[in-house]
Amino acid sequence: DAMVIQNPRYQVTQFGKPVTLSCSQTLNHNVMYWYQQKSSQAPKLLFHYYDKDFNNEADTPDNFQSRRPNTSFCFLDIRSPGLGDAAMYLCATSRGTDKQETQYFGPGTRLLVL
Amino acid sequence: GNSVTQMEGPVTLSEEAFLTINCTYTATGYPSLFWYVQYPGEGLQLLLKATKADDKGSNKGFEATYRKETTSFHLEKGSVQVSDSAVYFCALSLKAAGNKLTFGGGTRVLVKP
Repeated sequence: DAMVIQNPRYQVTQFGKPVTLSCSQTLNHNVMYWYQQKSSQAPKLLFHYYDKDFNNEADTPDNFQSRRPNTSFCFLDIRSPGLGDAAMYLCATSRGTDKQETQYFGPGTRLLVL
Repeated sequence: GNSVTQMEGPVTLSEEAFLTINCTYTATGYPSLFWYVQYPGEGLQLLLKATKADDKGSNKGFEATYRKETTSFHLEKGSVQVSDSAVYFCALSLKAAGNKLTFGGGTRVLVKP
């Protein structure tokens, strides 16, 4: 089945130690998104790629970076995680950016910062 | 700016009860509207969507109608099951905003046997 895959499902890192979260998709979609979701809150968009074009949200901290080496994979890098970065990180994809396009979400990676 | 407001939870129901979750939106333009569901420890799954006024989205017994005159997209289900216990998010997207999803705060629903 075509899907959005996130590994690992749970990631533990130490305060200040760089961490990378992974997302892959078999949908061949052009657009990939990264969201941060803190407990009992709505997901918050960090950035997205349309093909190789990177689009950062204005309020995304510099501590968060992303890479998309090919259509299938996208990575979220947190350069120096703080305690406040503990959250669920959700990857999503869509075919394009027309308003009717559905975003398909992966299961998420829950990040714990010690 | 664009925003989505949905009723706060938790909403606690008995099995086979009728469920309504209110959702209203503010948008500059004509958005598409979505309901996503999130089960415990999981990502978001699309439940249903509507892309223009008066469209009705439906899936798994859930329905929602895009009401432009009241800027609403209320979610309903006639007879809930324990397996419907989850958090439900209403969201909108606009091409002018690059299809970025603007979410409501989420409504937790708990269905008791």
